Amino acid sequence: AQSVSQHNHHVILSEAASLELGCNYSYGGTVNLFWYVQYPGQHLQLLLKYFSGDPLVKGIKGFEAEFIKSKFSFNLRKPSVQWSDTAEYFCAVNIGNTGKLIFGQGTTLQVKP
Amino acid sequence: GAGVSQTPSNKVTEKGKYVELRCDPISGHTALYWYRQSLGQGPEFLIYFQGTGAADDSGLPNDRFFAVRPEGSVSTLKIQRTERGDSAVYLCASSTATGPRGEQYFGPGTRLTVT
Repeated sequence: AQSVSQHNHHVILSEAASLELGCNYSYGGTVNLFWYVQYPGQHLQLLLKYFSGDPLVKGIKGFEAEFIKSKFSFNLRKPSVQWSDTAEYFCAVNIGNTGKLIFGQGTTLQVKP
Repeated sequence: GAGVSQTPSNKVTEKGKYVELRCDPISGHTALYWYRQSLGQGPEFLIYFQGTGAADDSGLPNDRFFAVRPEGSVSTLKIQRTERGDSAVYLCASSTATGPRGEQYFGPGTRLTVT
């Protein structure tokens, strides 16, 4: 069965530190890839997505992610985090003809001011 | 504009009881999804509607779970004979696109606790 693995469950950083959250998926065919974010007390919202083309995609709030097909990875990065980036981050993949998403278990990011 | 809404926000029920969870998608969104999120886990797909019909119900864990969307808008997730293992946050999402590339807009979820 297809699955998504996020390596870091809980990350603590100081403001201005660089961020990289790992995401790997298990599926050999064509995938669509997503990162979602859930800020405290808010709904899940889309951070960025990759369908095809340039494997480096940029999202909202200065986030970016790189799709490396050979590594089945879609890691999320931000050069300099802010306290307001404190949230839970979920990687997700979609395969097939429906919008069904398969999520990783999530990474809790805590940014210290 | 109004986002996806879900009611109730919290539901506590006793083991063995029947519950209904409601989702109001964004107006005009044809695709509707239900997910379940257990503590410390990511959302897990349950069922997907395209219009009134269930296009993919492969994520429903067993026949105690059922969902409907009779008029292609509001959807209800129904759980019979609830068990303590059903306790989770049930999320609904809607999308304009019919295929896999549509952005899914999530609701706040219904937290179900089975005692």
